[in-house]
Amino acid sequence: EAGVAQSPRYKIIEKRQSVAFWCNPISGHATLYWYQQILGQGPKLLIQFQNNGVVDDSQLPKDRFSAERLKGVDSTLKIQPAKLEDSAVYLCASSLVRFTRGYGRSYNEQFFGPGTRLTVL
Amino acid sequence: ILNVEQSPQSLHVQEGDSTNFTCSFPSSNFYALHWYRWETAKSPEALFVMTLNGDEKKKGRISATLNTKEGYSYLYIKGSQPEDSATYLCAFFGNEKLTFGTGTRLTIIP
Repeated sequence: EAGVAQSPRYKIIEKRQSVAFWCNPISGHATLYWYQQILGQGPKLLIQFQNNGVVDDSQLPKDRFSAERLKGVDSTLKIQPAKLEDSAVYLCASSLVRFTRGYGRSYNEQFFGPGTRLTVL
Repeated sequence: ILNVEQSPQSLHVQEGDSTNFTCSFPSSNFYALHWYRWETAKSPEALFVMTLNGDEKKKGRISATLNTKEGYSYLYIKGSQPEDSATYLCAFFGNEKLTFGTGTRLTIIP
């Protein structure tokens, strides 16, 4: 079974430029997550999709970050314009079990891609 | 904001020695505790998921224990090998979210 794919693997840009990351989840996985991992910190959830709908984007800096998941499969995360503090590894993950808020606990193991390492100069 | 803490932040261990590190998490609203191994430039790899108080899991030379009442988990590595060098992340699943610790960076010295 193919894993979660991400591209590019590395990106270096200057501040105020724009950048986009792409994620292809495991086939059949309904839920997709984007995490930001800043050096010295744990991964932080930016946004969670179920199919093509947003479940949680409470920690997404919406003034500069946007994400979409058209057709409920691939997803792109965009930063426009980038700041120095956006330098991080951006991880994409997917999970099989449908996550339904308000219906009690729903355990869903997440499988991660290799990440995109972004450096903003 | 949930507090998931890991200690130590980094560790250097001689090849062949055994080692362990800690993850502490909230004891309320617990559903599951994950351990991941994350090697540089690779995907985080799931090691264990534990859901019950007192759970003990083992995979080769690596094992983990769970105490949900006091809110901690230990990861043990027996007879460290160079390929064990990685960052070990724990993640608490509760309140419908996965919250990660900051990780323990392990370096095995040949």
